[in-house]
Amino acid sequence: DGGITQSPKYLFRKEGQNVTLSCEQNLNHDAMYWYRQDPGQGLRLIYYSQIVNDFQKGDIAEGYSVSREKKESFPLTVTSAQKNPTAFYLCASSLYGHTIYFGEGSWLTVV
Amino acid sequence: AQRVTQPEKLLSVFKGAPVELKCNYSYSGSPELFWYVQYSRQRLQLLLRHISRESIKGFTADLNKGETSFHLKKPFAQEEDSAMYYCALRGSSGNTPLVFGKGTRLSVIA
Repeated sequence: DGGITQSPKYLFRKEGQNVTLSCEQNLNHDAMYWYRQDPGQGLRLIYYSQIVNDFQKGDIAEGYSVSREKKESFPLTVTSAQKNPTAFYLCASSLYGHTIYFGEGSWLTVV
Repeated sequence: AQRVTQPEKLLSVFKGAPVELKCNYSYSGSPELFWYVQYSRQRLQLLLRHISRESIKGFTADLNKGETSFHLKKPFAQEEDSAMYYCALRGSSGNTPLVFGKGTRLSVIA
């Protein structure tokens, strides 16, 4: 699980700004995922990618965008269209049919 | 629709007492069920998956397809078990994402 790196760990954003959260994995995993964790809400899926250059929307994709240009990288951009972006963001990855592993997370606060 | 329900937000038990964290699911097909745990200031990590049928840190969970449940149990709680526990479901086809319940915070009182 040490092979998934999220950065930055803490990020402050002004209203109206876009910010990008980085997620890198060196586990040679095919699939990567972004979840948002809010108190009392559990984890909700934002986007996921099963293969390079392809990704699908999750349950709460509005106001977010992703790219998957390289197998090891799956950055998440939180746009100004996201109405309530303050949250804890978790990136994860997996091999086909195998356990999903998580990164340490990134805290985003809008100021 | 896929859904995971954890009815308890908070569960407090005394050290040495039995623990049962409830999880019910809704899925048309044969899902994979998981329990993940998040200790304070640590990353979310896998505790159990139903296909492994193993015991980790004294915890077990049995998939009951008739009741669509996957409750997590431990006979004697320890203080170090205090954490946030999430039940999760995945469809049976490969790289589909996990669907999580809202989580239960377990607090073990000394």
